[in-house]
Amino acid sequence: DAKTTQPTSMDCAEGRAANLPCNHSTISGNEYVYWYRQIHSQGPQYIIHGLKNNETNEMASLIITEDRKSSTLILPHATLRDTAVYYCIVSPKGGATNKLIFGTGTLLAVQP
Amino acid sequence: ETGVTQTPRHLVMGMTNKKSLKCEQHLGHNAMYWYKQSAKKPLELMFVYSLEERVENNSVPSRFSPECPNSSHLFLHLHTLQPEDSALYLCASSQDRQFGTDTQYFGPGTRLTVL
Repeated sequence: DAKTTQPTSMDCAEGRAANLPCNHSTISGNEYVYWYRQIHSQGPQYIIHGLKNNETNEMASLIITEDRKSSTLILPHATLRDTAVYYCIVSPKGGATNKLIFGTGTLLAVQP
Repeated sequence: ETGVTQTPRHLVMGMTNKKSLKCEQHLGHNAMYWYKQSAKKPLELMFVYSLEERVENNSVPSRFSPECPNSSHLFLHLHTLQPEDSALYLCASSQDRQFGTDTQYFGPGTRLTVL
């Protein structure tokens, strides 16, 4: 079972910031928070990941609360091409493989 | 373009056919994965290969048979499938490390329809 909870869907106006929340209250100390997105009928695309510090890259920012029980993915200026299902995943470090357990994610609809 | 390619992109097959899905990664990774995504269901991990050895098999029926001849190629051999096996089959690769995780890069998927 997925170890995260996300809203089923969200809307965002084009050009505005999209803030996607994720609850991972049972996260353990060695688990990272990963965000992927999947545009309709395509393969998932990696966005960003973090352990406990906030992270930023060219696609998005990841804000992780101090207790690490929740996080927010921020797309600073959403475009129509950002319409996708966004998955928040917690994954342990170490071990032979990096297993990603996908939940149902949040369908972000960017409106013109 | 993620560096992971899959062929064919679309496949229609009868229940008695035998076919194979192919995945190739150009990223120098040492781990490869097969996922299945049925309509309105989350992605399900099917198989994992690390250093060309299968390290995970998530109770997948034997009519699905994976093969990893080298670290760049992964196949999924299909035989006597059922209509409920119709789905998007996704391949991914990553660089496995003993400590720390690395991101997975996905291919575009093969849309399989079983008649």
